[in-house]
Amino acid sequence: DAGVTQSPTHLIKTRGQQVTLRCSPKSGHDTVSWYQQALGQGPQFIFQYYEEEERQRGNFPDRFSGHQFPNYSSELNVNALLLGDSALYLCASSEGPQVFFGPGTRLTVL
Amino acid sequence: GENVEQHPSTLSVQEGDSAVIKCTYSDSASNYFPWYKQELGKRPQLIIDIRSNVGEKKDQRIAVTLNKTAKHFSLHITETQPEDSAVYFCAASNDYKLSFGAGTTVTVRA
Repeated sequence: DAGVTQSPTHLIKTRGQQVTLRCSPKSGHDTVSWYQQALGQGPQFIFQYYEEEERQRGNFPDRFSGHQFPNYSSELNVNALLLGDSALYLCASSEGPQVFFGPGTRLTVL
Repeated sequence: GENVEQHPSTLSVQEGDSAVIKCTYSDSASNYFPWYKQELGKRPQLIIDIRSNVGEKKDQRIAVTLNKTAKHFSLHITETQPEDSAVYFCAASNDYKLSFGAGTTVTVRA
């Protein structure tokens, strides 16, 4: 049984560009959340998707948007990239309170 | 929103000794408290969790205690081993959104 998977592993973009990150949840999980982890810090909640709708959102600007597909997989889109968006982006899936993380996508904005 | 504080930020212990990490939270509605271990370049891994209706939980060398009145919870690792070296994060949640502490870097000296 595969756990949470994410693609790509690494990504380099320049300021102003747009990026799309992808996630497949753990089998049987219907809820997907996205977190941003800056270097040396704890993960920060971006938003959560359930039944293809954004259920909760953290303190992130509208440049961050997402989508959940009928098979529960999800995408995170970030527009107008800033240098400060450089971070590890973690996808997490859950069914109940336990949250399991994917390996992350390391985004570098130059 | 929820605010989680974690102490200490770094902890160095001799192999075989115990390690204790403490966290406090601000939102009395939080009812789920997981702990994650993150090795360098890896995903956060759930190691133990506790719900608000339980005061203590143990899993082999790891234990977590919760004091709801004081709004604090702690992670205890006994008989530490070199493979316990990692960054440990506490988190609090009341609706599947996790709010993380800043992390504790644990180094186990051989």
